[in-house]
Amino acid sequence: KNQVEQSPQSLIILEGKNCTLQCNYTVSPFSNLRWYKQDTGRGPVSLTIMTFSENTKSNGRYTATLDADTKQSSLHITASQLSDSASYICVVSPNDYKLSFGAGTTVTVRA
Amino acid sequence: DGGITQSPKYLFRKEGQNVTLSCEQNLNHDAMYWYRQDPGQGLRLIYYSQIVNDFQKGDIAEGYSVSREKKESFPLTVTSAQKNPTAFYLCASSIGRTGTGELFFGEGSRLTVL
Repeated sequence: KNQVEQSPQSLIILEGKNCTLQCNYTVSPFSNLRWYKQDTGRGPVSLTIMTFSENTKSNGRYTATLDADTKQSSLHITASQLSDSASYICVVSPNDYKLSFGAGTTVTVRA
Repeated sequence: DGGITQSPKYLFRKEGQNVTLSCEQNLNHDAMYWYRQDPGQGLRLIYYSQIVNDFQKGDIAEGYSVSREKKESFPLTVTSAQKNPTAFYLCASSIGRTGTGELFFGEGSRLTVL
């Protein structure tokens, strides 16, 4: 069964600090891995998408890494801002219509 | 601006009633999808459509129905057969299959059963 596990389930950080979110997956075959940001009550918005040949990709203060051998990915948020408070969802694609979604990590940034 | 519009944002339903959630896109995307989001769970696929007048069941299609009469529109009906319909529903679209194409989401519709 294709699975995507995210950790931690939630975390609280102070504004200006960094944090790292983890994603482990068992999806096979593998086409690409995506990270989405979802504000409360809104639809998810894409942050990054990486194929198996890419091991890092940045989008502003967000940097995603991928280790396709160990089937692990991380999302690093640098110099967090209050607007970073959201749920971050890891999504893995096996190259068809059926994406596998993680349950998300809820990040709360406090002033 | 191009995007996906879902309506209504909030919807309340009495038990035994059917309700229809609207999803319209002006991105000229071929593929459209409906997902259900419950607390503590990943998004689950209800239905998807890759072309007009064709759609396929996802993982949790029971109690739901869809139509794809126009490229821009993919409405979802939550029928009385859906035993636990209270959830956040997300519509999405992509140029091609989600495996390769970027997936764009609407703002969601929250359905509550009274």
